[in-house]
Amino acid sequence: QVTLRESGPALVKPTQTLTLTCTFSGFSLSTSGMCVSWIRQPPGKALEWLALIDWDDDKYYSTSLKTRLTISKDTSKNQVVLTMTNMDPVDTATYYCARYYSGGAFDIWGQGTMVTVSS
Amino acid sequence: QSALTQPASVSGSPGQSITISCTGTSSDVGSYNLVSWYQQHPGKAPKLMIYEGSKRPSGVSNRFSGSKSGNTASLTISGLQAEDEADYYCCSYAGSSTYVVFGGGTKLTVL
Repeated sequence: QVTLRESGPALVKPTQTLTLTCTFSGFSLSTSGMCVSWIRQPPGKALEWLALIDWDDDKYYSTSLKTRLTISKDTSKNQVVLTMTNMDPVDTATYYCARYYSGGAFDIWGQGTMVTVSS
Repeated sequence: QSALTQPASVSGSPGQSITISCTGTSSDVGSYNLVSWYQQHPGKAPKLMIYEGSKRPSGVSNRFSGSKSGNTASLTISGLQAEDEADYYCCSYAGSSTYVVFGGGTKLTVL
């Protein structure tokens, strides 16, 4: 059974750096075609893709946020980490991690973690 | 502003069929057969309903179908049921620079 679970702080202050961890099971990120991605959703708004890392350690970022994002993986721990710098109240959202495979779809999602940016 | 354009809302009565459109460009929907659709109930994570434009994952009802014509993809739900009331998002691969784009979401109301 494939599962993903997000973890990180529920509250961060403006200008701080957010670090989120996605811990997954049921698949290996060293398997060809496997990817893990981060997607966020502000309250009442649409999904927004943030970043993706693939089995070959290639990394892809949202054009509008790429200067603030870093994605990395620890294959031995089955974890993917996303950092976002210079957090602002507009970054308040539920952050999801999801598996993305070569069929071009996010087939399994984590439950999401709500992050509020406030002083 | 989302990269893919969806109607903000659609509605239908139980048993009817509805179609949700998703309009992109020749750089995303029009260039790749990698459109996916997600269903999201309030407070829940999105669920994959359609991938590669028209394929259904195991366990998804055959009342859900997908298609594409040019730069526009569509999701059709036939035999509407109360449980189908949710938000629906389309998504497309957009090449190695942009990678993935989402639509703005469509709220489906079952009357």
